[in-house]
Amino acid sequence: KQEVTQIPAALSVPEGENLVLNCSFTDSAIYNLQWFRQDPGKGLTSLLLIQSSQREQTSGRLNASLDKSSGRSTLYIAASQPGDSATYLCAVKSNYKLTFGKGTLLTVNP
Amino acid sequence: DAGVIQSPRHEVTEMGQEVTLRCKPISGHDYLFWYRQTMMRGLELLIYFNNNVPIDDSGMPEDRFSAKMPNASFSTLKIQPSEPRDSAVYFCASSFAGASWPVYNEQFFGPGTRLTVL
Repeated sequence: KQEVTQIPAALSVPEGENLVLNCSFTDSAIYNLQWFRQDPGKGLTSLLLIQSSQREQTSGRLNASLDKSSGRSTLYIAASQPGDSATYLCAVKSNYKLTFGKGTLLTVNP
Repeated sequence: DAGVIQSPRHEVTEMGQEVTLRCKPISGHDYLFWYRQTMMRGLELLIYFNNNVPIDDSGMPEDRFSAKMPNASFSTLKIQPSEPRDSAVYFCASSFAGASWPVYNEQFFGPGTRLTVL
């Protein structure tokens, strides 16, 4: 059974800092990995999707990497802003299903 | 496109009552998913449909839960009878994969329905 773990559970940083969120998964037989953002009381917004054959994806200040063999992914956020404050969820696609981690609650302080 | 639409956004009901949650997927999408989110268990897949046909309902917790997709633009998740432990946020998501399933499958989520069962 696929299990997804996200570390840390919560992170507080000052504005402008670069930061890394971590995601690990137990079964490396995945089709893809997706990073989402969830704002309080809202749905999930897809940030980046990395296919199993890819090593990384970039969108603006976000960069996600994937090391399938070791079961790890990182989400790098450059020059963080207060508007980046949200919960970030990692999800892996395996056995035709998305399995989610419990997320990292990010707070960026002005 | 308006994105995935869910209704109601909030539902408060009493134990034993029937609850029906509704979802309208993005037009043209061929997959529809129902998830439940709780603090304890995070986001869990309940059931998913392909071209209106239920494919995997192994995540449905009990027989009290049922889901239907009568057409490509509408799905319901019903709980009958509801219990306090069903309190959670229920999300609907849709995606288009066509022949590329399951490789390319970016899912788009609705805003969720917050269910409280008293």
